Amino acid sequence: GAGVSQSPRYKVAKRGQDVALRCDPISGHVSLFWYQQALGQGPEFLTYFQNEAQLDKSGLPSDRFFAERPEGSVSTLKIQRTQQEDSAVYLCASSFPGQGYEQYFGPGTRLTVT
Amino acid sequence: QQQVKQSPQSLIVQKGGISIINCAYENTAFDYFPWYQQFPGKGPALLIAIRPDVSEKKEGRFTISFNKSAKQFSLHIMDSQPGDSATYFCAATTGRRALTFGSGTRLQVQP
Repeated sequence: GAGVSQSPRYKVAKRGQDVALRCDPISGHVSLFWYQQALGQGPEFLTYFQNEAQLDKSGLPSDRFFAERPEGSVSTLKIQRTQQEDSAVYLCASSFPGQGYEQYFGPGTRLTVT
Repeated sequence: QQQVKQSPQSLIVQKGGISIINCAYENTAFDYFPWYQQFPGKGPALLIAIRPDVSEKKEGRFTISFNKSAKQFSLHIMDSQPGDSATYFCAATTGRRALTFGSGTRLQVQP
């Protein structure tokens, strides 16, 4: 079956531009997570949704970062006024409570801010 | 605050050898410890996971050893193959929430 998909796969933005990154989770997966992975590092948690409710946004680095999941399926991570330090791979993962703790990751969106 | 420390940063193993990656954690509330494998340009893929009430779990060539008192766990890859060359991340979580990842180990298996 289809896995987690993310788009675009690559995004180049000029400093100060706004970007929107999309995540399509596995169908039926209730939980959705966003992570940020800097080059050569492990992923770091950004935010977590259960259905449409954003239950944890403690990892968002600043108020320039905003995530939504209005209908409890597709999610969008928006970064306003991008800065060079925002350059990273943004990973989305989804999970289904009945399947335990397993999180399934998408391929990520590589964001480069110039 | 790095809650999961992973070592080594990189590892070179000969084909057929054993690869060992170690992790240590601080938060005693963690109740699930997965290992992820990541190839370049791909997202992390779940390899194997363990709960703290079990000291060892084996799936094929992959084994997790868990030492609750020492707050350490490790991944052993037996009969390492060139196809195993990837970056491996240990992780930990509590309550089915956000994963806390280690910094990663780049494994290279030489033919």
